[in-house]
This record gives sequence, C-alpha cells and structure tokens, in this order.
Amino acid sequence: AQKVTQAQTEISVVEKEDVTLDCVYETRDTTYYLFWYKQPPSGELVFLIRRNSFDEQNEISGRYSWNFQKSTSSFNFTITASQVVDSAVYFCALSEGAHGYGGSQGNLIFGKGTKLSVKP
Amino acid sequence: EPEVTQTPSHQVTQMGQEVILRCVPISNHLYFYWYRQILGQKVEFLVSFYNNEISEKSEIFDDQFSVERPDGSNFTLKIRSTKLEDSAMYFCASNQGYGYTFGSGTRLTVV
Repeated sequence: AQKVTQAQTEISVVEKEDVTLDCVYETRDTTYYLFWYKQPPSGELVFLIRRNSFDEQNEISGRYSWNFQKSTSSFNFTITASQVVDSAVYFCALSEGAHGYGGSQGNLIFGKGTKLSVKP
Repeated sequence: EPEVTQTPSHQVTQMGQEVILRCVPISNHLYFYWYRQILGQKVEFLVSFYNNEISEKSEIFDDQFSVERPDGSNFTLKIRSTKLEDSAMYFCASNQGYGYTFGSGTRLTVV
C-alpha cells in the first residue's frame, strides 16, 4: 500500500538558514508522481512541484530545490536562505498510476506535514 | 491563471443538519476530487469523480456523504446529518492529467 512519511513534525530555524524537509514514500507502482505543497496560515494548499517516477533529475526553483532519489524512496525539499514568509506547513504527497492521458489522475496520498517556523 | 472556486469559505452548521459544499472546477478538467483536513492533521482523500460517476472513494466516504455534478460547472459534496467530527477544512481539486489544482477550501464547523 502507498504511504508517505514526513518524520519531521516541526522545524524552527532562524532567517537565512538553509533547511531540508524530508519525505520518504512507499509504493508498489513503477509509475507514480510526487508532489510538494505549501500550506500557509491562511489555509490554502499551494502547489510547489510535481515529479514523475521516471525523472530523477534534481530541480531548483529560486531558493527551492528538490532531491529525488528512487534508491532510498525519498523526495526531499530544501529551502536555501530561508525567509519569514516561508513559515508554513509543507506536505509531501504521492499519486500512483497513470491513466488515460498518461498524467497523474490517481488520488493524492499526503504525508502528515512538517511545520516550518522561520524566525527573524 | 485558472482557479478552482469553493463556496462558502466558512460554514457553521448545527449537528444533524445537512450541508452542501460547492466547487467550480477548472472548466476543461475532467477529474474532480474532495479532500478533508481536520484541524492540525494531514489532508485526507475522500472521493474522486470522473465521467459523471465516482471513480474511487476512501473509507471516510460513507453513506453520510454524496457527490454530484448537477450541471456542467458545479461539483458538490453533500454531508447528511452532520456530526461534530465532520468539522474540518474541505478542499475541492480538479485535474487534467498534469497536476492537481486545489480550491482555497471550505472550513466547516459543526456545533
């Protein structure tokens, strides 16, 4: 059965520190998709990244970077030079299978989230 | 950028009452979902909907819940006879194969 584990419940850092949020997943499918979402205090879910199981290239987007390693079933997220506005709960999620259009339509399985507090 | 719209943003209801949560998915999307997040907990899958029928549902989605796409634009979640433990944030999402777009959620409070 599929499962997403975010072992870090809460992390507190001081502004400008780098921080890595861990995500470990379990799935029996060979085709799957991994996601990161940000949930600020206002409550909405903000999409950050989607990665499919065939693409192990790391990705960088500004201060954000993601490290996908199939060998360890991990999809970790690093924020470089953290800012107060990065304070939020971050969720890692997994979607299995590819249907129809070949994209990700299976339901999302979320981890429990990591609450990041960035202090000035 | 296209959005998923949810109304109302906050609803308070008496225990035992029926509520309908409304969502307008992105117009060319074909897959629709409802998720629930109890305060401080993780986001949980409730149900997915495709081609005018439920394609998958979780254990949470029991007979108390139903979904409907009454017209070409709305996607609703009905909760019959609400219980205190139904208090949560309910998210609607739609998907066209390239990623999920979530609405901003409806916070349901059952008193």
